[in-house]
Parts: sequence; structure tokens; C-alpha cells
Amino acid sequence: EADIYQTPRYLVIGTGKKITLECSQTMGHDKMYWYQQDPGMELHLIHYSYGVNSTEKGDLSSESTVSRIRTEHFPLTLESARPSHTSQYLCASSELTGGVQETQYFGPGTRLLVL
Amino acid sequence: AQKITQTQPGMFVQEKEAVTLDCTYDTSDQSYGLFWYKQPSSGEMIFLIYQGSYDEQNATEGRYSLNFQKARKSANLVISASQLGDSAMYFCAFSGSYQLTFGKGTKLSVIP
Repeated sequence: EADIYQTPRYLVIGTGKKITLECSQTMGHDKMYWYQQDPGMELHLIHYSYGVNSTEKGDLSSESTVSRIRTEHFPLTLESARPSHTSQYLCASSELTGGVQETQYFGPGTRLLVL
Repeated sequence: AQKITQTQPGMFVQEKEAVTLDCTYDTSDQSYGLFWYKQPSSGEMIFLIYQGSYDEQNATEGRYSLNFQKARKSANLVISASQLGDSAMYFCAFSGSYQLTFGKGTKLSVIP
């Protein structure tokens, strides 16, 4: 089971501000992910990484960017926050299960409100 | 693209009773995995149980079991002896490789 941390847990910020959502895991997992989730809705993958210096965009288009300079750290940045970015952001990392599939373990999430 | 369907937006169950949450999927992949996650009101996603497509036996984890019917492409979650703390959103997810595709979720409410 992964130990995965996200900060801040809650963030209220004004339009136009730059924000960085932090995500760290201590299990040495290579693969990490960012999801966006509106209240009561399903999760949508916005970014993922296979390892250091690897980042890819997910199925849902997002104006955010990510970086992966260290294995344990996968921050997400919004250069200019807008009200449409209001959502919950969930970070995950994964490990191989049953020799074939990756099981993803999630952090506690960051709830972002842009005014 | 894989599709995953949870047809029950909300479910109620009496405390100590068993409940089944439905999940169906559509894929042409031979190797895949099915997952269930619990999301309490606090927002975190908690991994509950995993079933591989080649696993012959249904997965079980404590009070959770996965009723896997491969021919029908269903992977229903069974929670036995429901507790008040089981009240939460439950998401079924499909994995063909490394990416998870989530269903829309079922909100379970346990009644005292």
C-alpha cells in the first residue's frame, strides 16, 4: 500500500493566480497520475508519468502542467487559475498487482476553489 | 475505448445486511483488471479490491467480494454485513494496461 501525500488539502484563490498542487509518495513507485473530479462525478485522468522526466497528457484536456524531476514528487501547476478550474484534484501512484495490472493508490486530494 | 457502466446512482441498505453494487464493462482486451474504490465524503479514494481477467476465483477482501462474471462482462461488488461507515461513493474502474477508466459511481447509504 502506498503512502501518498497531497498539499494543500483545501485552497481558495483568486482568478489569475499561479498555483502549484503538491504530490509526494514514499513507496518508490515509478508511475504517477493526476485526476480531476467534480463533486459527485467520475474521475478523469489529466496527466500521468512513467518515471523521472516522463510526463504525458491524459484523456481530459487540462490547462495545467506537471513535472517529474524526482521519483517521489509529481507537482501540478496552473499558471493562471480560473473559476472553471474549481474541482477536486487527486494524485495517485501505482504498483504492479498480480504480475499484470497496476493498482493505483490515491492521496487525500486537493479541493480547489477559484473565485 | 473501454466503457464502464454503473447503473445505480444511489442505493440504500439496512445496517448488517448485504448489498450488491453493479458494474458492467465493455472491452475487446483479453488481459485486463477490474477495481473497486470507496470514496467517503472526505474525498480520498480508498482501494478495496482487484480482480484480474485471468483469475478463476472471485476476489475477496474481508467483507468485500467481487462477483466476476466474465462472459457477461460484469464485476459486481458485494459488501456483507453493512456498517454505517460503509456509507460512501463506490467507483468501479477498468484497467487495460496502466490507465484506469472509472464508472460514474454509486452512492451507498447505510440505514441504522
